[in-house]
Amino acid sequence: AQSVTQLDSHVSVSEGTPVLLRCNYSSSYSPSLFWYVQHPNKGLQLLLKYTSAATLVKGINGFEAEFKKSETSFHLTKPSAHMSDAAEYFCVVSAYNNNDMRFGAGTRLTVKP
Amino acid sequence: DGGITQSPKYLFRKEGQNVTLSCEQNLNHDAMYWYRQDPGQGLRLIYYSQIVNDFQKGDIAEGYSVSREKKESFPLTVTSAQKNPTAFYLCASSQDRGLEAFFGQGTRLTVV
Repeated sequence: AQSVTQLDSHVSVSEGTPVLLRCNYSSSYSPSLFWYVQHPNKGLQLLLKYTSAATLVKGINGFEAEFKKSETSFHLTKPSAHMSDAAEYFCVVSAYNNNDMRFGAGTRLTVKP
Repeated sequence: DGGITQSPKYLFRKEGQNVTLSCEQNLNHDAMYWYRQDPGQGLRLIYYSQIVNDFQKGDIAEGYSVSREKKESFPLTVTSAQKNPTAFYLCASSQDRGLEAFFGQGTRLTVV
């Protein structure tokens, strides 16, 4: 079984300050982990993915995430927030040997000018 | 351009009617998925298909039906048995199980 917990339903930061969106996962398999971003009334866009290669993963738009097996975490970070980063972010766990792709409940990121 | 196309973008349905949401992909992906999104609940899996002419129920399949007659198409029918169909519906595809999914732009269904 797999599950994802996004620890914050809403995060608010000022433009130019760091972003941290937290994600913990549970998986019976060797997991693949993803972060997706969703702007209002749009589909989901892949930000980055971890698939058992390097534990520090770099994605698009300056985002990165670190896979920490001992902490079962996959937190998303960005050094400096931009107004265009305001959106909903989803952490997702999956595994190659099953179709059980599980989504977290989402974290809404607000960026203040 | 390769991608996933969902249509229509907005759909209004009267109570008691069945409606079908379209999902087409030209990515040559084997796996396709339908998700329902409600505020604050993330995405919940309705149905998925790993191969043509085969599909499996997800967590919330009651009141929904699908078909997979062609690799590129995976339409979802919301039947009158679905008690609360108003939601945002997302279709996705992936090359294989466990790999990243690519999403369409969604269909917002409203029951009037």
